[in-house]
Amino acid sequence: DAGVIQSPRHEVTEMGQEVTLRCKPISGHNSLFWYRQTMMRGLELLIYFNNNVPIDDSGMPEDRFSAKMPNASFSTLKIQPSEPRDSAVYFCASKAGTGAYEQYFGPGTRLTVT
Amino acid sequence: GENVEQHPSTLSVQEGDSAVIKCTYSDSASNYFPWYKQELGKRPQLIIDIRSNVGEKKDQRIAVTLNKTAKHFSLHITETQPEDSAVYFCAASEGVRGGSYIPTFGRGTSLIVHP
Repeated sequence: DAGVIQSPRHEVTEMGQEVTLRCKPISGHNSLFWYRQTMMRGLELLIYFNNNVPIDDSGMPEDRFSAKMPNASFSTLKIQPSEPRDSAVYFCASKAGTGAYEQYFGPGTRLTVT
Repeated sequence: GENVEQHPSTLSVQEGDSAVIKCTYSDSASNYFPWYKQELGKRPQLIIDIRSNVGEKKDQRIAVTLNKTAKHFSLHITETQPEDSAVYFCAASEGVRGGSYIPTFGRGTSLIVHP
């Protein structure tokens, strides 16, 4: 199993540009999570999906952020327009089944907005 | 919602010493407490977890203790080695929301083990 896959691994963009981060969960996992990690705020949950349905997006910072999961094997996190304060490492994680405990994290996308 | 406090933020020890990281949580309904290790530039990975029906769990050199009355739990690493150097995150989950255990993470502890 390849684990959770994220792309790109690094993204550098200018303020105002649209950024799309991608995630492929572990096959068979039906819960998917997007996190943001910064020195100031630590590891923050942005949104999570269960069976492709967004369950809790209360962590999404503002309307500039949106996430989709069109099928069980793919999710995107989009920032439009991006701002320098969005610079962070964004992790995707997946988990198997209702009641499963362990989350498996992807390698992360390091986003720099200049 | 749940609030998790983690201390210390940085911990420096000599190889062979023990290291202890402590966390407190606010929601008495929390019943699942995982610990993740994140090496520099890598992803967080689960190293040990404990559920509320036990007070202690051990796996080789690492152990976790839980005090539900006081709402705190700790990670203990014995005989530390340089490869234990990493950021450690505790987390607490208040149960199933929408079909999943959703952990709230502490801010992390940077453990440095000096050879």
